[in-house]
Amino acid sequence: DQQVKQNSPSLSVQEGRISILNCDYTNSMFDYFLWYKKYPAEGPTFLISISSIKDKNEDGRFTVFLNKSAKHLSLHIVPSQPGDSAVYFCAASTETSGSRLTFGEGTQLTVNP
Amino acid sequence: DAGITQSPRHKVTETGTPVTLRCHQTENHRYMYWYRQDPGHGLRLIHYSYGVKDTDKGEVSDGYSVSRSKTEDFLLTLESATSSQTSVYFCAISGSSDTQYFGPGTRLTVL
Repeated sequence: DQQVKQNSPSLSVQEGRISILNCDYTNSMFDYFLWYKKYPAEGPTFLISISSIKDKNEDGRFTVFLNKSAKHLSLHIVPSQPGDSAVYFCAASTETSGSRLTFGEGTQLTVNP
Repeated sequence: DAGITQSPRHKVTETGTPVTLRCHQTENHRYMYWYRQDPGHGLRLIHYSYGVKDTDKGEVSDGYSVSRSKTEDFLLTLESATSSQTSVYFCAISGSSDTQYFGPGTRLTVL
């Protein structure tokens, strides 16, 4: 039962263009969503988060959008840079999950120079 | 970066042997977690702890046990390693928010 799903295993974009990574969820109790970035041989690093009371959160080149009715969130990276090439994981939690996160499978982003 | 270390960083062992992985934090965070990462599965929670001596199972806990005798240390034990436990293991910590911070990982190979 995959409650958080990233349907695109990989995404390739040109440097300077927009990268859009998508994530769908099935559990309507999820109220907090996060994106992590992971480079090879390193641990995931926190990138950006959004609460279910918002529909957008922005931090520099990174913006996360939340569509609760569609149970969908997306991460926009503008402009994309080669250093953004990494695996991106979305994750979600509920108020009662005790800080436990449910992760998606990840999307490998490649930004070509 | 959160102060989280994992040891060992790499380990090769044989089927049937016991293995213990250590996670150490210097942040005094309440919550600690063990995940495994496998291709196509993302990060799956093995066990977690919400305080000293307080632990609970995650979604893939079979074959694993944990212990937390001090706030700063969270141990993951494979009592009798199997090839299906070959994976990359990550420890994470969190404090008052749901944001978790991850360690560098341990690559475990069970032959």
